[in-house]
Amino acid sequence: AQTVTQSQPEMSVQEAETVTLSCTYDTSESDYYLFWYKQPPSRQMILVIRQEAYKQQNATENRFSVNFQKAAKSFSLKISDSQLGDAAMYFCAYKRNYGGSQGNLIFGKGTKLSVKP
Amino acid sequence: NAGVTQTPKFQVLKTGQSMTLQCAQDMNHEYMSWYRQDPGMGLRLIHYSVGAGITDQGEVPNGYNVSRSTTEDFPLRLLSAAPSQTSVYFCASSRLGSPLHFGNGTRLTVT
Repeated sequence: AQTVTQSQPEMSVQEAETVTLSCTYDTSESDYYLFWYKQPPSRQMILVIRQEAYKQQNATENRFSVNFQKAAKSFSLKISDSQLGDAAMYFCAYKRNYGGSQGNLIFGKGTKLSVKP
Repeated sequence: NAGVTQTPKFQVLKTGQSMTLQCAQDMNHEYMSWYRQDPGMGLRLIHYSVGAGITDQGEVPNGYNVSRSTTEDFPLRLLSAAPSQTSVYFCASSRLGSPLHFGNGTRLTVT
């Protein structure tokens, strides 16, 4: 069975600085997606970035980028120029890319990010 | 578009009561699912559906029933609520192979 591990329950960053959130996963599959979701206090689940396993190039979305190390099964999220609005719970998630259950996400337990002004 | 709509936003039940959490999407998505979120546990899959008339169990299905009579709706039923079902519930939908769209969640408290 696939598992997703976020080893940092809480992280803190100074405004305008850079922070990296860690995520490791375990799978025997080769065709899958990885995601980072942001959950602010409003409870809304917001997709931050996604990475397809077959793509070697790391995904980027504005200030957010990932370091995808497929062999090491590592998928970290880097937030550059941190802003107060980045304060939230961040979840790493995995899903296979085939079969009837391909919509199912497996989540890590989350990392709570605080941003200090 | 409304996206994924969950009702109610908040609910308090007594142990043993039944209720249905509603979920509707207007994006013609084949795939719909229910997750529960507990502190320190992330989100865990309860049930999912890949189309009308098709449902399957996720990681934590016990105590919950679902049905999918239409593409748009995917209600989650608690037949006899227990305190262990106190949680935040999320409905999500997508086209197969595309990212999930989440509803805004329902906070359920069972006393």
